[in-house]
Amino acid sequence: NAGVMQNPRHLVRRRGQEARLRCSPMKGHSHVYWYRQLPEEGLKFMVYLQKENIIDESGMPKERFSAEFPKEGPSILRIQQVVRGDSAAYFCASSPPSGASTDTQYFGPGTRLTVL
Amino acid sequence: GQNIDQPTEMTATEGAIVQINCTYQTSGFNGLFWYQQHAGEAPTFLSYNVLDGLEEKGRFSSFLSRSKGYSYLLLKELQMKDSATYLCAVSPSSNTGKLIFGQGTTLQVKP
Repeated sequence: NAGVMQNPRHLVRRRGQEARLRCSPMKGHSHVYWYRQLPEEGLKFMVYLQKENIIDESGMPKERFSAEFPKEGPSILRIQQVVRGDSAAYFCASSPPSGASTDTQYFGPGTRLTVL
Repeated sequence: GQNIDQPTEMTATEGAIVQINCTYQTSGFNGLFWYQQHAGEAPTFLSYNVLDGLEEKGRFSSFLSRSKGYSYLLLKELQMKDSATYLCAVSPSSNTGKLIFGQGTTLQVKP
């Protein structure tokens, strides 16, 4: 069984460029979560999505960041005009379609974004 | 506010028992999770508690006291491969799957 897939695993961008991070949930999962892990810090929730819906984006920065989970294809976390402070590991997690808040979230390997 | 506290680092000896504590203060409580994260890898699920008491799963056990806002993860018969960061996370609401994580406890197991 394939787990949560994320790509790319490593991404280097220059300041001002755009970063696109992709996440394919586990087979049968329809809920996706994005978290950011800054150096020496814990995981911070960013956004929770179901297919074609954003359920909770309370952790998303107000500007430059957006997320989507289309009907077909992976979930995308998009960061426009990246700055050095965006350098972090971005983890995606997925959970089953029951949608219970107590469903276990399974994490992908993360994308490590470095902004030069 | 939301606050989850764990010790930053712990050291233990192979074969021993170690207890990693977690205290939380959150706006709501809908369950507590423990994850293990090896350096450069994804967090992997270890345990889930929503009711008070001890949940045992092989060498790992997790305890919860909701009245005290307290949990611990107990690791028995430590092995070198248990060297990792252990993350405590709280689900604060039934309306969202959002998890609030502590900063993690990095455990080093020595021979």
